[in-house]
Amino acid sequence: DVKVTQSSRYLVKRTGEKVFLECVQDMDHENMFWYRQDPGLGLRLIYFSYDVKMKEKGDIPEGYSVSREKKERFSLILESASTNQTSMYLCASIGLFEQFFGPGTRLTVL
Amino acid sequence: SQKIEQNSEALNIQEGKTATLTCNYTNYSPAYLQWYRQDPGRGPVFLLLIRENEKEKRKERLKVTFDTTLKQSLFHITASQPADSATYLCALVNGSGNTGKLIFGQGTTLQVKP
Repeated sequence: DVKVTQSSRYLVKRTGEKVFLECVQDMDHENMFWYRQDPGLGLRLIYFSYDVKMKEKGDIPEGYSVSREKKERFSLILESASTNQTSMYLCASIGLFEQFFGPGTRLTVL
Repeated sequence: SQKIEQNSEALNIQEGKTATLTCNYTNYSPAYLQWYRQDPGRGPVFLLLIRENEKEKRKERLKVTFDTTLKQSLFHITASQPADSATYLCALVNGSGNTGKLIFGQGTTLQVKP
């Protein structure tokens, strides 16, 4: 069974902290994505990666960076967390056409 | 500007009826369009894909139509059940979609009452 896992379901951090969100997929997919989801705004693409060490900005990359050192792992980094980064973060990888999503990380920044 | 829009108001229907959800887009030329289901606190799950040259696609009680002239997709659930209650997202890929990047609508929440 295809699987995308995320390191935490819930996370609470303080303003200014560096935050790491990890995502692992076991399907040998090349393309992986990070989204955030907010009420009324839907899913917005932060970054995506189409190969190891390759990345491309999505629609809202400001305040975020990513790392893809291994094919199965795609990390999202909040360099200095701010309260407006409180959100649900979703990781996905893509098969032939459809995207497979992880369960999400609900991040609260105080 | 480019937009993909779904009805933001929740759709409430009675069990057994057909639910119809709408997805409209402007200034995109999608090679295909997808529908996902999302339950509260969980990631979206893929349901159906329809290509630009297909008018209709079916899977069990689900039916999707795609009208590139109207720039609209309709998603139908026939004989709806309370277990169908969820948020449904449409997503499209602009152009050939080689990267797999999808643009998502905001989603429509469906509530099926017993």
